[in-house]
Amino acid sequence: GENVEQHPSTLSVQEGDSAVIKCTYSDSASNYFPWYKQELGKGPQLIIDIRSNVGEKKDQRIAVTLNKTAKHFSLHITETQPEDSAVYFCAASISNFGNEKLTFGTGTRLTIIP
Amino acid sequence: NAGVTQTPKFQVLKTGQSMTLQCAQDMNHEYMSWYRQDPGMGLRLIHYSVGAGITDQGEVPNGYNVSRSTTEDFPLRLLSAAPSQTSVYFCASSYSGTGTQVYFGPGTRLTVT
Repeated sequence: GENVEQHPSTLSVQEGDSAVIKCTYSDSASNYFPWYKQELGKGPQLIIDIRSNVGEKKDQRIAVTLNKTAKHFSLHITETQPEDSAVYFCAASISNFGNEKLTFGTGTRLTIIP
Repeated sequence: NAGVTQTPKFQVLKTGQSMTLQCAQDMNHEYMSWYRQDPGMGLRLIHYSVGAGITDQGEVPNGYNVSRSTTEDFPLRLLSAAPSQTSVYFCASSYSGTGTQVYFGPGTRLTVT
């Protein structure tokens, strides 16, 4: 089955600096890569996603890049703010029919230092 | 829309007891799933359903049962609780098709003593 590795497990950055979280996946059949933000006591919430036919996607301060050859994808957050502090998860979907079977990375706890 | 709702929010069980975690969604989503979240291990898929009457096993199905009699509801049953099932459980739902957004519920924190 699919295996997703995520690094680093913890990340502290100064407010206003950029943060980068990296994930690798094992199965070349995976074709959908979402990123989730989880705040304390809440369920994960989708922040951005990318499909395997796209190399980069941006949404304001957040961007995701995908390298299919190397089987890795990254989350980039620019101009970080205190409200960006949370746990971030990457995931990969191996299904050809839907994303009902997501394989998650182990999470990155991001702390923004004021 | 209420989105994905889960009850209860917290539960303490003794080893050997059984219980059902409830999950409901009001978005008419075909897909529903159950994940467990453990420290340092991310979220792992327990069971999933692609529609009413259709369920299948995920990565960690042992000790859990599911059924899907309606589109809206997808309960998770613990048959005989064990301390290894202490975890936070999340229900999720989405429309069919790759790349559609998955919505997660707020979670149920279960402790088995």
